[in-house]
Amino acid sequence: GAVVSQHPSRVICKSGTSVKIECRSLDFQATTMFWYRQFPKQSLMLMATSNEGSKATYEQGVEKDKFLINHASLTLSTLTVTSAHPEDSSFYICSARVLAGHTGELFFGEGSRLTVL
Amino acid sequence: EDQVTQSPEALRLQEGESSSLNCSYTVSGLRGLFWYRQDPGKGPEFLFTLYSAGEEKEKERLKATLTKKESFLHITAPKPEDSATYLCAVQSKGAQKLVFGQGTRLTINP
Repeated sequence: GAVVSQHPSRVICKSGTSVKIECRSLDFQATTMFWYRQFPKQSLMLMATSNEGSKATYEQGVEKDKFLINHASLTLSTLTVTSAHPEDSSFYICSARVLAGHTGELFFGEGSRLTVL
Repeated sequence: EDQVTQSPEALRLQEGESSSLNCSYTVSGLRGLFWYRQDPGKGPEFLFTLYSAGEEKEKERLKATLTKKESFLHITAPKPEDSATYLCAVQSKGAQKLVFGQGTRLTINP
């Protein structure tokens, strides 16, 4: 299957700092990427849809100023958690669709575990 | 609103003991139903896509089926390495995003 890479896989930061997570499609171009958040033993909750060259679309209840998303190229999307607090600690996962538009499978990155002290 | 409900929440089987996982869904118009496997601390791994009722797909010990209201993931003669959380998701027509169920945590004991 298609390869989506996330970095870093684990990050620990102090409260009040900002953290950037990168998501790369390694062997295909992704016009759209998706950012999910997952709490322990819970399912994936979509945070936002990242569109290359335009503003991200955020799900209801997700603070766009807290979770900054940039999709500057067809192979890279970044999620920046600004002024992180302990409640932002979670597992963040990105995904990308191989085919343009609405069809095709979503492939996921390995996830990034954020711990805010 | 699209909804996905998976059952059971957790399932323990002995090695070789076949069983099925259920995914019930409601969607305005189904574009696709997806099954993923997720190991602890990892991102989901794609297994199958089903597009229409009556469709079936197989991969090794796994077989996915689809009706108009639910999908089943059948696991035949499972091995301990099949232990994982299995996630079901739906995509409705006209939508880009997937809506996920809560998952079924499958444990296969040797």
